[in-house]
Amino acid sequence: NAGVTQTPKFRILKIGQSMTLQCTQDMNHNYMYWYRQDPGMGLKLIYYSVGAGITDKGEVPNGYNVSRSTTEDFPLRLELAAPSQTSVYFCASSYVSSGANVLTFGAGSRLTVL
Amino acid sequence: AQSVAQPEDQVNVAEGNPLTVKCTYSVSGNPYLFWYVQYPNRGLQFLLKYITGDNLVKGSYGFEAEFNKSQTSFHLKKPSALVSDSALYFCAVIPASGTYKYIFGTGTRLKVLA
Repeated sequence: NAGVTQTPKFRILKIGQSMTLQCTQDMNHNYMYWYRQDPGMGLKLIYYSVGAGITDKGEVPNGYNVSRSTTEDFPLRLELAAPSQTSVYFCASSYVSSGANVLTFGAGSRLTVL
Repeated sequence: AQSVAQPEDQVNVAEGNPLTVKCTYSVSGNPYLFWYVQYPNRGLQFLLKYITGDNLVKGSYGFEAEFNKSQTSFHLKKPSALVSDSALYFCAVIPASGTYKYIFGTGTRLKVLA
């Protein structure tokens, strides 16, 4: 059982380039999330999805796009990379039926934009 | 605005001593409360949660947390610290109004000294 798998682990981009961070979960979780983690800032929600075909913006969506064509996959696309997008990105998933839901995180993707 | 505060950026404690990592929150209603731990170059891992009931919640690796409604606090505790407990700890809440949108604190780095 792999849990949440993110690729790549590290990437360096030039300003203006685009890329996609991949995220796959094998737990049949209905909810998936993308967070970014900046030093001293905690985690900020970029986008989330409550099921296949449904996505919505979080706190900091500008400069990013997502899609959710299957339950398992939730890729995050960066268009026109900017230095402000240098961060560590975490994908997470959870099963939400009722009550508090526990997040399962991937290992993270460290992105540097130069 | 709803928020979570972790007033200490870093907590140092000697191995074998009790440890406390503080968390206070400002959220309306009765939120769900969580602690997550992040080891170097890893994603966050769930430690424990409070939904309702007993104010003292026990979690993984010997950790526990005490919910105090009047002080709006949810401090993480462990009776005897281990060097392997050294990590970054995040407090988080889900406002009672939603079951998926976490609000994370900024994290507290715990260093257990041998």
